[in-house]
Amino acid sequence: ELKVEQNPLFLSMQEGKNYTIYCNYSTTSDRLYWYRQDPGKSLESLFVLLSNGAVKQEGRLMASLDTKARLSTLHITAAVHDLSATYFCAVDNYGQNFVFGPGTRLSVLP
Amino acid sequence: DTEVTQTPKHLVMGMTNKKSLKCEQHMGHRAMYWYKQKAKKPPELMFVYSYEKLSINESVPSRFSPECPNSSLLNLHLHALQPEDSALYLCASSQEPYQETQYFGPGTRLLVL
Repeated sequence: ELKVEQNPLFLSMQEGKNYTIYCNYSTTSDRLYWYRQDPGKSLESLFVLLSNGAVKQEGRLMASLDTKARLSTLHITAAVHDLSATYFCAVDNYGQNFVFGPGTRLSVLP
Repeated sequence: DTEVTQTPKHLVMGMTNKKSLKCEQHMGHRAMYWYKQKAKKPPELMFVYSYEKLSINESVPSRFSPECPNSSLLNLHLHALQPEDSALYLCASSQEPYQETQYFGPGTRLLVL
């Protein structure tokens, strides 16, 4: 059974600081996704990582994938308040199933 | 146009009602998805349509019945739901199944009384 974990589940950080969210998964997969969700809103796709060593960056967010370690990271650089949201990773097990992590609730404080 | 639309935005129904949720995209995407999300929980994949064919049914109860009339439309027919089915139902689409960015609709917030 595919299991996806995220760490931390809650993150409160100050503006201007850097931090990393971790996503671990239990089975072999080379397809991992990051999403953002604002309270009461739908999901926004951030990154699609489709191979080992994939790295993608958009603004203050950078995501990477290590399929051997079954680990993805979402790095936040110089956080700003607008980044406050819940961040989900999700793993596709070659079309067999598609599982989201529990989410990391990020709060960026001034 | 990167928009996925969903109707209705809100729906209240009784346990004996039959209703349908509708999702539409005009991006030429060949994969469409239904997700269920309970409050403060991650989304759960319910159904995937790939090239208008159902490719994954994540053991969803039969009171939920998906339909893909054409490549732009996705329906979710609801019948004899239970109060625990109350949730946000999200539709998404992508160019190809899983390999691409998924674009999400705003969701339908469903309350079953």
